[in-house]
Amino acid sequence: SAVISQKPSRDICQRGTSLTIQCQVDSQVTMMFWYRQQPGQSLTLIATANQGSEATYESGFVIDKFPISRPNLTFSTLTVSNMSPEDSSIYLCSVALDGYTFGSGTRLTVV
Amino acid sequence: AQRVTQPEKLLSVFKGAPVELKCNYSYSGSPELFWYVQYSRQRLQLLLRHISRESIKGFTADLNKGETSFHLKKPFAQEEDSAMYYCALTGGSNYKLTFGKGTLLTVNP
Repeated sequence: SAVISQKPSRDICQRGTSLTIQCQVDSQVTMMFWYRQQPGQSLTLIATANQGSEATYESGFVIDKFPISRPNLTFSTLTVSNMSPEDSSIYLCSVALDGYTFGSGTRLTVV
Repeated sequence: AQRVTQPEKLLSVFKGAPVELKCNYSYSGSPELFWYVQYSRQRLQLLLRHISRESIKGFTADLNKGETSFHLKKPFAQEEDSAMYYCALTGGSNYKLTFGKGTLLTVNP
């Protein structure tokens, strides 16, 4: 089964700053997905990242706030920009392998 | 639009009792349904998917297209089954996975 390494595992950030989350997969995949899980809530898809093209964002999420890079078939980054306390969540990456495999998540706290 | 509904936020049973976690979905085409489990302090992991028709850790789930349901069942719950369970759906070519809100299962000794 696919193995996803996601980092950092957690961070505490000041409001107004940005954090970049990295996701590395041990297999080549066309699509990678980024999710947000707010406290006590379910997972919400932020965007789908295809290698070689712009990411596709879901309703309520914009590129300026959550820029995504996808430089190759095994790696992607999600940046949470100009953070506010409302961005405090767990952010997860996922790939459509083995019925969708998820990273361990990045627990972000914005103070 | 695709939607997944898990009507029970919390479910508590005693060890050895049967357990059923409900999941209903809304999708106009032919969906693919999943159950994911998240144990305390662990990452989200796939429990089962309807196309494989497997039984994992004693859990089964049958897709009922007439009732648009994909309920998760286990005849005899164990304490180690205590976890958060998410039902999820994907369909079409976009591979987008939509999650329900989750059910926190507690199995009491």
